Amino acid sequence: AQTVTQSQPEMSVQEAETVTLSCTYDTSESNYYLFWYKQPPSRQMILVIRQEAYKQQNATENRFSVNFQKAAKSFSLKISDSQLGDTAMYFCALRAFSNYQLIWGAGTKLIIKP
Amino acid sequence: DAMVIQNPRYQVTQFGKPVTLSCSQTLNHNVMYWYQQKSSQAPKLLFHYYDKDFNNEADTPDNFQSRRPNTSFCFLDIRSPGLGDAAMYLCATSTFGTGGDEQYFGPGTRLTVT
Repeated sequence: AQTVTQSQPEMSVQEAETVTLSCTYDTSESNYYLFWYKQPPSRQMILVIRQEAYKQQNATENRFSVNFQKAAKSFSLKISDSQLGDTAMYFCALRAFSNYQLIWGAGTKLIIKP
Repeated sequence: DAMVIQNPRYQVTQFGKPVTLSCSQTLNHNVMYWYQQKSSQAPKLLFHYYDKDFNNEADTPDNFQSRRPNTSFCFLDIRSPGLGDAAMYLCATSTFGTGGDEQYFGPGTRLTVT
């Protein structure tokens, strides 16, 4: 069975600070993808960043980057220079390469304070 | 802009009264998904279509049905809503559904059962 665990139900930081959201996972698949999705209050879910498991280089998208530790099965999201618009639920998700289903973590509610 | 549209955004129905939620997409994606999401929890996949091929999750209640009459539209029918079916229902689409394929979400329909 595949699982995704987000151990931080809620976090809050001051605007402009850097914050790291944790995610660990378990899978027996050798080829898989990892995702971070963001769901702002009353707005739709959007993809923040994705990582192919076979790539050693950590994915980066502007202020968002990941720390992918394959051996430790860890996939944390770092948000630099946080902004008020980063306030949202963040979900970590896993998909095996040949599978259609996303395995979701429970989510982390991130609050950016002015 | 290409997008995923859900109507209505808010739906109130009575206990046991059938209700239909709709989703349309202008992305021309092959795969359409229906998720149920309860108060800040992770989305729970109910079913998905790959083109016209319907795939039901094993734990999706029989009370939930779906139709996809064409590429652009997909409907979620709840035959006899119970109080426990009150939730946000998310529609999502993707190109081919596996691997690193991104899912594009609609804004959701919030269902209230009275």
